[in-house]
Amino acid sequence: DAGITQSPRYKITETGRQVTLMCHQTWSHSYMFWYRQDLGHGLRLIYYSAAADITDKGEVPDGYVVSRSKTENFPLTLESATRSQTSVYFCASRSSGANVLTFGAGSRLTVL
Amino acid sequence: DAKTTQPNSMESNEEEPVHLPCNHSTISGTDYIHWYRQLPSQGPEYVIHGLTSNVNNRMASLAIAEDRKSSTLILHRATLRDAAVYYCILRDVSDQAGTALIFGKGTTLSVSS
Repeated sequence: DAGITQSPRYKITETGRQVTLMCHQTWSHSYMFWYRQDLGHGLRLIYYSAAADITDKGEVPDGYVVSRSKTENFPLTLESATRSQTSVYFCASRSSGANVLTFGAGSRLTVL
Repeated sequence: DAKTTQPNSMESNEEEPVHLPCNHSTISGTDYIHWYRQLPSQGPEYVIHGLTSNVNNRMASLAIAEDRKSSTLILHRATLRDAAVYYCILRDVSDQAGTALIFGKGTTLSVSS
C-alpha cells in the first residue's frame, strides 16, 4: 500500500536496551522527519533528512541515532533507552519543494 | 523562526462555524502559514496553507489578515469528527534546506452535539 508506515506501533522495553523504530514511505519523498510527542510539549523534532545519506539534528536529538541508506527508509535508534524517552514517535515525509508533510500513525514507546 | 500564538482550547457546537485564531506578529514576508490538525491517537494531518490571500479547500478556509500578523482557520460546519488539536505553523518559503515545521502546542477544539 502507498503511504508512510511505522513499526512497531507499540513497544515496551527496559532501560539500557537498544530500540529501533522503523519508518518506510512509498512515495520516494526526499525529506523525512522524526518527531516525538509528550504531554505538555506538543511535537518536537528529533532528526530530519533531506535525502539519502544526509541527516541533521532537530530540536531534541540527544540519545537518538538515525540513518538514511535508502530514500524510502528512515530508522530511528535509541542506543540505550531511558525512561525519559517514553513517548509517542511520529515519522513524516514530504517531497522536495512541497509544502505538505504527511505523517505516519505513530509508534508508542514505553521504557520501563 | 517566527512564532505563533494560539489559544489553548476552544469549544464549539456541532454544525456551527468555528473560527480558530492564530497570531504571528513577527511573520516575515516569505513565511507561509500552515495549519495541521491531530485527531485523537493519530498523527497530524495537513489542513490548509497560504501566503497572503485567503484560501479555501474541502476541509476549511484560511483567512489571512491584511498585515499578515494574524490568521484564522475557519471550519464552516463543525462535526464531532473535527474535535482535534489544531496547529498553526509558519514556514519560510525560501527555506530549501529541508528544515521541518516546528509545532507548538496548538488549540484543542472540543465539539459538542
